[in-house]
Amino acid sequence: DSGVTQTPKHLITATGQRVTLRCSPRSGDLSVYWYQQSLDQGLQFLIQYYNGEERAKGNILERFSAQQFPDLHSELNLSSLELGDSALYFCASNSYNEQFFGPGTRLTVL
Amino acid sequence: AQSVTQLDSQVPVFEEAPVELRCNYSSSVSVYLFWYVQYPNQGLQLLLKYLSGSTLVKSINGFEAEFNKSQTSFHLRKPSVHISDTAEYFCAVSVAGNTGKLIFGQGTTLQVKP
Repeated sequence: DSGVTQTPKHLITATGQRVTLRCSPRSGDLSVYWYQQSLDQGLQFLIQYYNGEERAKGNILERFSAQQFPDLHSELNLSSLELGDSALYFCASNSYNEQFFGPGTRLTVL
Repeated sequence: AQSVTQLDSQVPVFEEAPVELRCNYSSSVSVYLFWYVQYPNQGLQLLLKYLSGSTLVKSINGFEAEFNKSQTSFHLRKPSVHISDTAEYFCAVSVAGNTGKLIFGQGTTLQVKP
């Protein structure tokens, strides 16, 4: 158990819909990173937040957005979903240059 | 920009045989290097990391990797594999002293056969 929690574990939805993925970092960690794992793109960094502020941005689509709240949990919002958004979404928190990953949310868009 | 290349997508090996999973990276600045393992239907677990110091790093379950700056490589080795080592292995880099975001290779599936 990494100490990073993600909900829900599975999510099935239809094209055009909007979903929210939630992540809580390990106790004491201020950073949250979001990654997408898909068969064609592999593991890609999406976005990072540090203590409520956006710190780095990767290959995140404009239809996707994220935020980190005062209690340090983070939410990744995915809208106007397409079939190609089906993937495993991980979040991670960072401590002393080591990232601890949550179990992931598997998103299936039908 | 940084990139990571894992040279083998699949590596089949018999139990108790040695194995090497290859990883090369590209970067114009100093990087930290990592190997993560992903078991079926699970998240990513850190196997080992190189930040600085000794170029040979070891994990508690018998894996080791050597940072070779001149060859920009960070190959993962184990002298004798077990069935339980069957998993996907990811090499990753992050820019030293930066945001910590990880750039991953495409992954190598290690298949250990009895």
